[in-house]
Amino acid sequence: GAVVSQHPSRVICKSGTSVKIECRSLDFQATTMFWYRQFPKQSLMLMATSNEGSKATYEQGVEKDKFLINHASLTLSTLTVTSAHPEDSSFYICSARLLAGGRGETQYFGPGTRLLVL
Amino acid sequence: QKEVEQNSGPLSVPEGAIASLNCTYSDRVSQSFFWYRQYSGKSPELIMSIYSNGDKEDGRFTAQLNKASQYVSLLIRDSQPSDSATYLCAVKRGPRRGGADGLTFGKGTHLIIQP
Repeated sequence: GAVVSQHPSRVICKSGTSVKIECRSLDFQATTMFWYRQFPKQSLMLMATSNEGSKATYEQGVEKDKFLINHASLTLSTLTVTSAHPEDSSFYICSARLLAGGRGETQYFGPGTRLLVL
Repeated sequence: QKEVEQNSGPLSVPEGAIASLNCTYSDRVSQSFFWYRQYSGKSPELIMSIYSNGDKEDGRFTAQLNKASQYVSLLIRDSQPSDSATYLCAVKRGPRRGGADGLTFGKGTHLIIQP
């Protein structure tokens, strides 16, 4: 299967600071990447779609000015949590879409970044 | 009504038996369906995708799709203790204007395979 990496895997920061998370597709090009968030005992919730070379599309209720997304190349998308607060503590997971022709497509997930805001 | 529903479990199955996991979805225009496995503290890993009505088999796993009933299932044959995990059903939403194009996940079913 396709490989997606994330960095860092874990981050602890003080309230009010900004945190950048990188998502890379290692062995394929991804014009589209997705950012999800998962709180304890909850399912993954889509935050936004990251499109290479264009603005990200955000889900309803996700603040675009707080969660800055940049998809600078076909293998890299970044999520910056600005002015993080304790309620932003969560497991952030990216995925990259691999198109297999026709309507076949698969999202491969990165290992996730666990963010703890003190 | 939740978009993707799963029984949260836990579902306990003896080793070697068949584990049956179920999922229903509300968006009738959904076309793509996925099963992911998630171990505690880890990110999801893809098990199977299914797009057409009927069964799709891959090793010990069989996915079943019934679009008329808006129902997807996953069967795991010869269950092993290593299959113990949370199984997430995911649905790719139908096209919508101005919306993000990602997956909608159920809350997952916690499966326990008893040795």
